Amino acid sequence: GNSVTQMEGPVTLSEEAFLTINCTYTATGYPSLFWYVQYPGEGLQLLLKATKADDKGSNKGFEATYRKETTSFHLEKGSVQVSDSAVYFCALRGNFGNEKLTFGTGTRLTIIP
Amino acid sequence: DAGVTQSPTHLIKTRGQQVTLRCSPKSGHDTVSWYQQALGQGPQFIFQYYEEEERQRGNFPDRFSGHQFPNYSSELNVNALLLGDSALYLCASSAPGLGETQYFGPGTRLLVL
Repeated sequence: GNSVTQMEGPVTLSEEAFLTINCTYTATGYPSLFWYVQYPGEGLQLLLKATKADDKGSNKGFEATYRKETTSFHLEKGSVQVSDSAVYFCALRGNFGNEKLTFGTGTRLTIIP
Repeated sequence: DAGVTQSPTHLIKTRGQQVTLRCSPKSGHDTVSWYQQALGQGPQFIFQYYEEEERQRGNFPDRFSGHQFPNYSSELNVNALLLGDSALYLCASSAPGLGETQYFGPGTRLLVL
């Protein structure tokens, strides 16, 4: 079945540092890939997505590129802010007809001033 | 434009009881999915409703059931509650058509004592 493996947390960085959170997946066919973010006490917010190989999703300074050859969708940001502190989830949705999202376990990110 | 709303926000039940959680989708969305998020874990897919029918189901026992109403709102029912059912229950809605992005509500936190 489909699965997502995320970089173990927690991750602590200083403000303005470079961020990478690794995500790899296992799936048949051509899944769509997502990053969701969860702030304390809240539900999930879609951060970015990519629906086919070599697509780059971007939003709020975050980027991730769908790499089929390495089955990866790593999240990056060039300069993090304290407000980026949250839990980040990588997720995939299978092919046509398989609508469920499969999530990784999440990576807790803390940015210190 | 209101996003996905869920009620109640918090709930405390005892083992063996039954619970009903409610979800109103984002305006223009006709599909509702439910997820269970245990503490420190990624969300797990319970089921998806479309046109008042269960379209897809995850690996959850029959104690978990749902319903979708003609106005696209949805309920999640859990019977014979177990301690292990304590979790954040998330509802997500998506626009008509397959392959649409799922947008999440804030969740209902259920505690089973």
